[in-house]
Amino acid sequence: DTGVSQDPRHKITKRGQNVTFRCDPISEHNRLYWYRQTLGQGPEFLTYFQNEAQLEKSRLLSDRFSAERPKGSFSTLEIQRTEQGDSAMYLCASSRPDRTGELFFGEGSRLTVL
Amino acid sequence: AQSVTQPDIHITVSEGASLELRCNYSYGATPYLFWYVQSPGQGLQLLLKYFSGDTLVQGIKGFEAEFKRSQSSFNLRKPSVHWSDAAEYFCAARSSGGYNKLIFGAGTRLAVHP
Repeated sequence: DTGVSQDPRHKITKRGQNVTFRCDPISEHNRLYWYRQTLGQGPEFLTYFQNEAQLEKSRLLSDRFSAERPKGSFSTLEIQRTEQGDSAMYLCASSRPDRTGELFFGEGSRLTVL
Repeated sequence: AQSVTQPDIHITVSEGASLELRCNYSYGATPYLFWYVQSPGQGLQLLLKYFSGDTLVQGIKGFEAEFKRSQSSFNLRKPSVHWSDAAEYFCAARSSGGYNKLIFGAGTRLAVHP
C-alpha cells in the first residue's frame, strides 16, 4: 500500500496562468475525491469520482476548474486563469466502494498564486 | 443544511494533562463521524470513526471519542497529552447512505506546553 500520491507538492504561479495537479489513488480504491483547504479552515469538498464517472461537483468548483479521471485510475485537477483566491491546499483522497469506506488522504498540493 | 462545528479554534494544554476537543454536528439522521489529525504541511490521518453500536470508540495514538446523540456531539479525548500530539484536529461527518463524502469542521489547533 503506497498511499495516495499527489504531484506537485508545491506550485507557485502568476495570476492568469493555468495549473494542473495530479492524484494517484490507492490502487484498489475506485472512489476518488478532491478537497480544497484554505488557511485556518477545514477541507471543503470539491468533486467526487466513482471509477471514471464524475458524480458530484461542488458549487465551489467554478467553470475555471475541471477535474478528470480517465480510465478510473489517476485524476487531474486543472485550474485555468488562476486568481489569488485560488491559493490553497488541494487535497485528494480515495476510498473503497464499501459502505463504511475510510477516506485516505494524500499530502496535498499547495498552490500559491502571486 | 448539514454541518459540523468545532467551537474551539485553538487549545493549549500542558504535556501530561488531559484533553477534550469538542465537535457538534447537524444532520437529519445520525451520521457517520470521524476525527482526523493533520500535522503542518501534511495530509489528514484518521484517528477514529463511529458508525453505530458502542458510543465510546477507541482510536490510534491513545485517543478516544464519545458519541452523544442527545447532544449531537462527538468529542475527542486523551487522558495524557504528549508533545507530539501538537497538530490540527478535524471532526468530520457523512451521511450513512450514499457515498463517502465528508463534511469537515473548521478544525482545532492544539498546542502542547512542556
